[in-house]
Amino acid sequence: QKEVEQNSGPLSVPEGAIASLNCTYSDRVSQSFFWYRQYSGKSPELIMSIYSNGDKEDGRFTAQLNKASQYVSLLIRDSQPSDSATYLCAVINAGNNRKLIWGLGTSLAVNP
Amino acid sequence: DTGVSQDPRHKITKRGQNVTFRCDPISEHNRLYWYRQTLGQGPEFLTYFQNEAQLEKSRLLSDRFSAERPKGSFSTLEIQRTEQGDSAMYLCASSLSPENSPLHFGNGTRLTVT
Repeated sequence: QKEVEQNSGPLSVPEGAIASLNCTYSDRVSQSFFWYRQYSGKSPELIMSIYSNGDKEDGRFTAQLNKASQYVSLLIRDSQPSDSATYLCAVINAGNNRKLIWGLGTSLAVNP
Repeated sequence: DTGVSQDPRHKITKRGQNVTFRCDPISEHNRLYWYRQTLGQGPEFLTYFQNEAQLEKSRLLSDRFSAERPKGSFSTLEIQRTEQGDSAMYLCASSLSPENSPLHFGNGTRLTVT
């Protein structure tokens, strides 16, 4: 089992819809969770960080963390074509020298 | 612009040559990281510094790779005797000291070894 797992996609949604991206992790004592957006050929850009159970909202983005079920999700409301990118989930794994562990990313396509 | 800066943006080199990349972190960040990324993969950890101290280096990293951060500010990553398998995007990131602080990435250096 990979430490951080994401569906590779592509996830395709129409413009204006809600895009839902999911990430599961294996280390139960993980503490910190991040979502990054990466456009093709560019570097990762931090979208959201979340540290405690529940929802965290920032503009059109909402991160949801459920430590009991070991998943973290990212919702993008009113999806725009400019949201088309790969979304990377990253987790600080307390059992691995507190190193940041990355998923392989989910490709999102927002269709006009 | 006070973000992470990397130089050069692109580097094409012939196999066997040495290359050096530079990273200037966000000024108040004392942690600096180097990652490598190839197509379809997440970033692969190479090494990181807290101030001038190199605290960890990936076991996957061969002896051809070396990184320095001499004054705790900018960092350099050198690859000696480059191989075609070294072709990748090399990413630098910085963060504040708490271990749960998010990383902020530079634009990366794309290396092509011919």
